[in-house]
Amino acid sequence: ILNVEQSPQSLHVQEGDSTNFTCSFPSSNFYALHWYRWETAKSPEALFVMTLNGDEKKKGRISATLNTKEGYSYLYIKGSQPEDSATYLCAFIPRGSTLGRLYFGRGTQLTVWP
Amino acid sequence: DVKVTQSSRYLVKRTGEKVFLECVQDMDHENMFWYRQDPGLGLRLIYFSYDVKMKEKGDIPEGYSVSREKKERFSLILESASTNQTSMYLCASSYLQGTDTQYFGPGTRLTVL
Repeated sequence: ILNVEQSPQSLHVQEGDSTNFTCSFPSSNFYALHWYRWETAKSPEALFVMTLNGDEKKKGRISATLNTKEGYSYLYIKGSQPEDSATYLCAFIPRGSTLGRLYFGRGTQLTVWP
Repeated sequence: DVKVTQSSRYLVKRTGEKVFLECVQDMDHENMFWYRQDPGLGLRLIYFSYDVKMKEKGDIPEGYSVSREKKERFSLILESASTNQTSMYLCASSYLQGTDTQYFGPGTRLTVL
């Protein structure tokens, strides 16, 4: 089983704060990395797919960076809003992985207080 | 619009019962997956399938089996439910390509008494 680590496990911030969290993965056989957002009572929803070292993706106030050489990705949220409250999951695909299988981290649970 | 549906949002069963969880996708995806989510443990893969009648074990297949008779439908079967199978079960699907996004259903919260 591949080790995909996310930190912190949970995070509480005030509305308007910017925040970031980390996903660490094995750097030796990287193929792709996904970020998902999972709101309570909803389905996990894809945010980004990242494949190249140095990739930076952006969607509104959320952005992500990727460092495949050192094996980490950061997710940033600028000016957090209560609707950003969710669990953020990263999922790693190693080179040679069987047919689209994802290896998920345990997630970072973000709570944004108004 | 992409859609993955699961047969029940909430299910309560008794120990020893046979339980079927159904998942249907309407996107003509080749891959389908079953996960369970438990507090503090993240999403853990139970089984997946990349074609009709094909299946592969994930990380925690013990106590489960699956069936994929049609491309759009993937069933998870608990042959004899036990209390440690109380969990949230999520189905997902994706195209065959390795980096493709997985699309998730709403989940089934199963309680085994």
